[in-house]
Amino acid sequence: KAGVTQTPRYLIKTRGQQVTLSCSPISGHRSVSWYQQTPGQGLQFLFEYFSETQRNKGNFPGRFSGRQFSNSRSEMNVSTLELGDSALYLCASSFSQTPNTEAFFGQGTRLTVV
Amino acid sequence: AQRVTQPEKLLSVFKGAPVELKCNYSYSGSPELFWYVQYSRQRLQLLLRHISRESIKGFTADLNKGETSFHLKKPFAQEEDSAMYYCALSYQGAQKLVFGQGTRLTINP
Repeated sequence: KAGVTQTPRYLIKTRGQQVTLSCSPISGHRSVSWYQQTPGQGLQFLFEYFSETQRNKGNFPGRFSGRQFSNSRSEMNVSTLELGDSALYLCASSFSQTPNTEAFFGQGTRLTVV
Repeated sequence: AQRVTQPEKLLSVFKGAPVELKCNYSYSGSPELFWYVQYSRQRLQLLLRHISRESIKGFTADLNKGETSFHLKKPFAQEEDSAMYYCALSYQGAQKLVFGQGTRLTINP
């Protein structure tokens, strides 16, 4: 079956702009999580959605937001982009939201803010 | 706060030698622990989780609650084991992973 798909793969934006990233989970998976990966901070949890509801949120400013649709597809939005938002954004999906469930990761969207 | 520490950023061993990637965590409750691996030009994927108590690709990891460690071990390294390895923790009934900084393992021929 198809894996987690993230679009676009690469993105270049200017400071102050906003951006929307998309994630299509594996069919049948209802939990979608987002992570930010940077060389300095590593992999950091952004938020998790399950059945269209945000279940958990990481320690990121309110400029970072997300949503999940009824078909489990998810989007994350970053407003008023800053240079420090340049990162690889990873989406992961899992069948359930129990903590021992395997998370399947997408290839990521590499965002560059100039 | 929950934290995962991987003390070695880089680890290099020869083919056939034993490998141990260290992972320590801090969490007062009962965490779920994982090792994720990222091979070159591939996506991050699960290697193993402590609850399964399984051996994957010859790797094993034992949860030591007294030492709050979850080290990854393999008795005989192979060149295809070269990759980035991340230890991760999940807790509180949530699909929220706290990752260590990762260890880049290189197996020399």
